[in-house]
Parts: sequence; C-alpha cells; structure tokens
Amino acid sequence: DAGITQSPRHKVTETGTPVTLRCHQTENHRYMYWYRQDPGHGLRLIHYSYGVKDTDKGEVSDGYSVSRSKTEDFLLTLESATSSQTSVYFCAISKTSGGASNTGELFFGEGSRLTVL
Amino acid sequence: TQLLEQSPQFLSIQEGENLTVYCNSSSVFSSLQWYRQEPGEGPVLLVTVVTGGEVKKLKRLTFQFGDARKDSSLHITAAQPGDTGLYLCAGAWVQGAQKLVFGQGTRLTINP
Repeated sequence: DAGITQSPRHKVTETGTPVTLRCHQTENHRYMYWYRQDPGHGLRLIHYSYGVKDTDKGEVSDGYSVSRSKTEDFLLTLESATSSQTSVYFCAISKTSGGASNTGELFFGEGSRLTVL
Repeated sequence: TQLLEQSPQFLSIQEGENLTVYCNSSSVFSSLQWYRQEPGEGPVLLVTVVTGGEVKKLKRLTFQFGDARKDSSLHITAAQPGDTGLYLCAGAWVQGAQKLVFGQGTRLTINP
C-alpha cells in the first residue's frame, strides 16, 4: 500500500464547469504525477510535481492546471471541463528521490472516473 | 504517435497456453517497466528491467529487455485465469528525469 488516496472517485459534471481532483499521499514523497487513461492510449502524463510549488507539464497538459502547496497534496484542476476530458484520472507517486539511480517506478492511486456531459 | 507500441492490443487464450506480449520503440530507454492493472484499480508494478539483454522471472512470467534497450517482451507460461488483466509497459527515457511513457496496453483474457 503506497498510501495514495484520490478524491472524488467518481464525478459527473457538465461542460464548462470547473473540476478539481485531489491526490493525497501519506509518505511525503517528492514526486507526484497526474495521468489520464483512455482506451487505446494507455496512460498519458498530464502534469507532474517534483516538490512543493514545483510542477511541470506532461504530454497532454492543455486544459489542465495543477497545484502543490503541501508535500502530501497534489491537485488537478480542469478550469472549464469539456467532453474530451471525460476519462479516468490516476495519481501516482515515485518513491525514489531522483538522481542517477532512479528508475522511475510509479505507485498509483485507485483512480478518479470523470464524466463530462 | 505512440512512442511505445504494444502488441497485441487484445489477446484471448485458453488456460494452460503460453503467450508473449511485445513492447517496441524506436527510442532507447534507460529502464523499462511492466505493470498489470485490474478493472477499477490502478496499475501495479510487476518488474523493472535496466540492463540491455536482461531477463527477469516472476513465477510463470518472464520479462526480457532488448539488447539495444528499445524493446521488451513479457512471456507467460501456462496461463491461468488469474493472469487476466491489462498489461502496460512503460519506459523511462532519462535516468533521474522521473518521467515515464506508457504503451497503450495489452488486454489479456485467460479462459478457463
């Protein structure tokens, strides 16, 4: 158990409304990630964080923003949800601290299923 | 463009058969990982391979990293219904970069 909690686990919303997904970890790891999973695409990185207030974009960051004000929480915000953002969102952590020895292994939360109508 | 191509994307076989799943890329990876995901859950790490040509075994599962570190395979011997799930490969491009690129997954069904 990697101590990762995602909330909400399920959400249905309407186009144009803001949505925030929360990822909470209990082990104070430095690296946290948000991925989305869609059929035929595997997992695609949205944003990641390498420390408090330190974030960077992934391959599908358009339409998403993130914030990390505390080590344990990483928030993903959809400012104005669109139907193309209907997906399952996964938060993940890496237990390594970086550096040459890192192999990037990830530990995932259980996912948040978002439906935008 | 999928940087890591998995094949096949779907595979349905009978219990007791053997199978191989492939993960291919034109890029070189510093390491490659295999994850297994069950419905309604997040992916769970099975193995990490780091060295070109490396072979790792996990019970009936054998993982191989290509000599050039561009591809990998997962071989399951005598498949069981409990092996059913979505198998994902993921490559780390640069050591220390902490970013992975995932294949699109192979959905495996083992029929009793």
